[in-house]
Amino acid sequence: AQRVTQPEKLLSVFKGAPVELKCNYSYSGSPELFWYVQYSRQRLQLLLRHISRESIKGFTADLNKGETSFHLKKPFAQEEDSAMYYCALKFMEYGNKLVFGAGTILRVKS
Amino acid sequence: DTGVSQNPRHKITKRGQNVTFRCDPISEHNRLYWYRQTLGQGPEFLTYFQNEAQLEKSRLLSDRFSAERPKGSFSTLEIQRTEQGDSAMYLCASSLDLGWGYNEQFFGPGTRLTVL
Repeated sequence: AQRVTQPEKLLSVFKGAPVELKCNYSYSGSPELFWYVQYSRQRLQLLLRHISRESIKGFTADLNKGETSFHLKKPFAQEEDSAMYYCALKFMEYGNKLVFGAGTILRVKS
Repeated sequence: DTGVSQNPRHKITKRGQNVTFRCDPISEHNRLYWYRQTLGQGPEFLTYFQNEAQLEKSRLLSDRFSAERPKGSFSTLEIQRTEQGDSAMYLCASSLDLGWGYNEQFFGPGTRLTVL
């Protein structure tokens, strides 16, 4: 079955500390993965996609097919990074529908 | 056009009543998706449209649910005979499908449904 797992419901770090939000997936095809973010009182928005291999707001994510993981990392957390983060897997066979993980709340403390 | 809009933002209804939600996608976006999000979970796919054609429906979409996109622009999602288990946030997203690559889905603010 196709599934996205985010094992942590909450990750709390101090400002300036490194951040790693974990994401594992299960998919028989060639995966395309994304990280979406939802800041307080805002709508869900795309943060980054693995295929573009870019860094957005200091965040990066590398697709590891061997470990079926797509962890989101940032070397130095900032308070404005506090938000809900969702990992998502794209299904090309179904009109590019997205399968989301349950999400991880990131709290950056000052 | 400031993005995907959804109305109403909140809906409280009694069990057994029918409700209808509306989604206005970004102009010119040809794909429109509906997702449902319950507490503590990520969004779950319900259905999607390519222009006015409904091309895929999740098994989550029981026969009490119906969605339309009559002119390939706005879409409505109707739930008949609501049940308490229907209480959730209903999200709409739209994208411009160019026939290749991934085309970002832009999400609306959602409609929060509470069934009493």
